[in-house]
Amino acid sequence: NAGVTQTPKFQVLKTGQSMTLQCAQDMNHEYMSWYRQDPGMGLRLIHYSVGAGITDQGEVPNGYNVSRSTTEDFPLRLLSAAPSQTSVYFCASTAGTGGREQYFGPGTRLTVT
Amino acid sequence: GIQVEQSPPDLILQEGANSTLRCNFSDSVNNLQWFHQNPWGQLINLFYIPSGTKQNGRLSATTVATERYSLLYISSSQTTDSGVYFCAVGTYGGATNKLIFGTGTLLAVQP
Repeated sequence: NAGVTQTPKFQVLKTGQSMTLQCAQDMNHEYMSWYRQDPGMGLRLIHYSVGAGITDQGEVPNGYNVSRSTTEDFPLRLLSAAPSQTSVYFCASTAGTGGREQYFGPGTRLTVT
Repeated sequence: GIQVEQSPPDLILQEGANSTLRCNFSDSVNNLQWFHQNPWGQLINLFYIPSGTKQNGRLSATTVATERYSLLYISSSQTTDSGVYFCAVGTYGGATNKLIFGTGTLLAVQP
């Protein structure tokens, strides 16, 4: 199994541009989520999904959209990038919706100029 | 919302030393996990431990849910243990896997 994969690894955007961060998992996990990591602030939950067709907001959802059309994929869309969205983005997945170990992708480092 | 505090914020050890990292949380939890973020940024799950004690090699963890804290023990530390250790919790009443992270403990193990 490849586990949780994310693309791209690095991205530079100009203010106002849009883009999609890709996340995929091959473990048939029901739960997937997106976090952002900023210096000194730990990880903060952006959006999550408990299964295909079901998504919900986390702590910091503004400026981001998600959809979950398949179990495997959970893309994160930045609609109009802002410098405040400069961060490292992590995707994670967990088997089932009860408490289980959460597995993280390698991250995407995004810079918005 | 629930608060998650980790201590110490920074720790420097000589190789071979032991250490204890602490995680305090402000409300009842039904999910608690410890993660290691290595110097290359990869997050590795160490333990899923909402209560009780677990051991994995040189690492062990204990969560006392009634007193709202968890401890991560690292014995005979190695340079490869360097990185940031995060505690993350999930609470009752919501999606259990919604994790709230602490700000981490930065560990540097010197040879």
